[in-house]
Amino acid sequence: EAGVTQFPSHSVIEKGQTVTLRCDPISGHDNLYWYRRVMGKEIKFLLHFVKESKQDESGMPNNRFLAERTGGTYSTLKVQPAELEDSGVYFCASSQNPNRFSPLHFGNGTRLTVT
Amino acid sequence: GNSVTQMEGPVTLSEEAFLTINCTYTATGYPSLFWYVQYPGEGLQLLLKATKADDKGSNKGFEATYRKETTSFHLEKGSVQVSDSAVYFCALRGEGGSEKLVFGKGMKLTVNP
Repeated sequence: EAGVTQFPSHSVIEKGQTVTLRCDPISGHDNLYWYRRVMGKEIKFLLHFVKESKQDESGMPNNRFLAERTGGTYSTLKVQPAELEDSGVYFCASSQNPNRFSPLHFGNGTRLTVT
Repeated sequence: GNSVTQMEGPVTLSEEAFLTINCTYTATGYPSLFWYVQYPGEGLQLLLKATKADDKGSNKGFEATYRKETTSFHLEKGSVQVSDSAVYFCALRGEGGSEKLVFGKGMKLTVNP
């Protein structure tokens, strides 16, 4: 089966610009998660979709970040306007079940650099 | 809240050396525990997991045992290879209905021939 795919793999933008990241989960996985790793720090949770609904968005840092999952398939994460501290690697993951026994399958991540 | 503390490194070893990466956690109840690995240029991959106390997860020569009494999940490998060079993340997922995965800071391992 195809894994989780993310696009683009790298993005370099200037402060104030907008960037949209895309994630395609494993087919059939209702649960989709966004995480990010800021340089040298922990991988931090951003939000969790169940199908098209936001189950938990407690990790979203501020209202410059907007995540959508229309139709319950792929998801986008838009940062507008981008700030320097948004630089990092953004990971998407999916799982069949939301419970603790089910591992998350991660994509390769999008490396975002804001200059 | 739930948290994970792990060795941060970076660590450099020679091929065939013994590896231990310490990981301890704080969580209520009985979380599931995971080790993820990120090889250069790749995404996060599940290395192994354990879902209850005294379970041992193993894969690719790596092992980790879920120790409830010491709240630990240390990763070990008896003889590392150059191909094991990567960043290793300890993580847990709590007992709740839809608990998020919580990561440690990650440890970069370099294995030299």
